[in-house]
Amino acid sequence: RKEVEQDPGPFNVPEGATVAFNCTYSNSASQSFFWYRQDCRKEPKLLMSVYSSGNEDGRFTAQLNRASQYISLLIRDSKLSDSATYLCVVNKNAGGTSYGKLTFGQGTILTVHP
Amino acid sequence: DTGVSQDPRHKITKRGQNVTFRCDPISEHNRLYWYRQTLGQGPEFLTYFQNEAQLEKSRLLSDRFSAERPKGSFSTLEIQRTEQGDSAMYLCASSLAWAQETQYFGPGTRLLVL
Repeated sequence: RKEVEQDPGPFNVPEGATVAFNCTYSNSASQSFFWYRQDCRKEPKLLMSVYSSGNEDGRFTAQLNRASQYISLLIRDSKLSDSATYLCVVNKNAGGTSYGKLTFGQGTILTVHP
Repeated sequence: DTGVSQDPRHKITKRGQNVTFRCDPISEHNRLYWYRQTLGQGPEFLTYFQNEAQLEKSRLLSDRFSAERPKGSFSTLEIQRTEQGDSAMYLCASSLAWAQETQYFGPGTRLLVL
């Protein structure tokens, strides 16, 4: 079983749609959670960190359920520019500092069409 | 540009040749990471440095791979006797070590082994 699992999609949605991505992780020691965005043939870029209380950044909402080891990302009012691969990422913290190693899911491909 | 830079951006080599990649992190960042990404997958951790110390190596990093960060600034990743299976995008990232560190990725070096 992979340490971080995502539905690879692809998700094809019209502009303005709401789309949700799910992710599960297997290592209960994971303590930091992120969503990264990766455009075609580019490097991953941090979209947002994910906090236990849930957090929102404009049209993007991230949720974390530690009991179920489940992370989600909701995108509202999709734009053409949201088309990308969304990577679910976990990290472990030890002694107050980051463990360093990020573990990525395989990514979920999103295409937003006119 | 004050981001992470990598050189070369593309490398085509023949099987059995040695290749070396360079990464220049963001100047004040003390942590530097190497990841490898193959098509359709998320990046996979290879190794990381805090200053000049190499703190962890993945089992993915066979004996043919070696990484250095001699002065705690730039890093090199060398692959000896390349194999076709080494074809991938090699990503470098840097960060400041703290509990909720954000890793910033460079544009990657795309390696093709013929």
